Amino acid sequence: GAGVSQTPSNKVTEKGKYVELRCDPISGHTALYWYRQSLGQGPEFLIYFQGTGAADDSGLPNDRFFAVRPEGSVSTLKIQRTERGDSAVYLCASSLNGGFGNTIYFGEGSWLTVV
Amino acid sequence: AQKVTQAQTEISVVEKEDVTLDCVYETRDTTYYLFWYKQPPSGELVFLIRRNSFDEQNEISGRYSWNFQKSTSSFNFTITASQVVDSAVYFCALSDITGANSKLTFGKGITLSVRP
Repeated sequence: GAGVSQTPSNKVTEKGKYVELRCDPISGHTALYWYRQSLGQGPEFLIYFQGTGAADDSGLPNDRFFAVRPEGSVSTLKIQRTERGDSAVYLCASSLNGGFGNTIYFGEGSWLTVV
Repeated sequence: AQKVTQAQTEISVVEKEDVTLDCVYETRDTTYYLFWYKQPPSGELVFLIRRNSFDEQNEISGRYSWNFQKSTSSFNFTITASQVVDSAVYFCALSDITGANSKLTFGKGITLSVRP
């Protein structure tokens, strides 16, 4: 697609439920990133994919968070047993090949609210 | 470790005023990239500029200009003759060799409000 596409744009879920957030990167981009942005803060890195593999998952806060990219294009961020502290905007981004200095292009984000 | 500091949190100006958004960064690497992004109310982070550490030449793009000074570890952004459409949150970000993979470290952002 022309830009990074994320669905859903908004998600309200109850504490303890499971949530999936989907990202479709820019066509041809092999590198894909997930960031999380809390209110009043800058985005914080969660995980980076190069192709199908998670090359760097150092930003995932705990084992309730998991992400996949099975075919090297679309990615899904999965959150188990959601907590109120998980409420944030989850931003997906992509870059051409993940090389140092690549410009990273972001989607509009998925606003997650855990009640 | 990498760090980006945007000391200003909120700035309010009247349309047509010039405004400068400050960014100070920390990195142990000599090779790095700096970025500015704009986040309008829609939420999408819009890329504005990328600058590498070996290029200290200032840049002007229309009403936007950037002043990169390695001596003070700063990469400031000036909007000339501001417009209401410039109202947004602006983020400065750093990517260095240690982080690699184009991973970005962001500042907390500056909320700019331009009043008519």
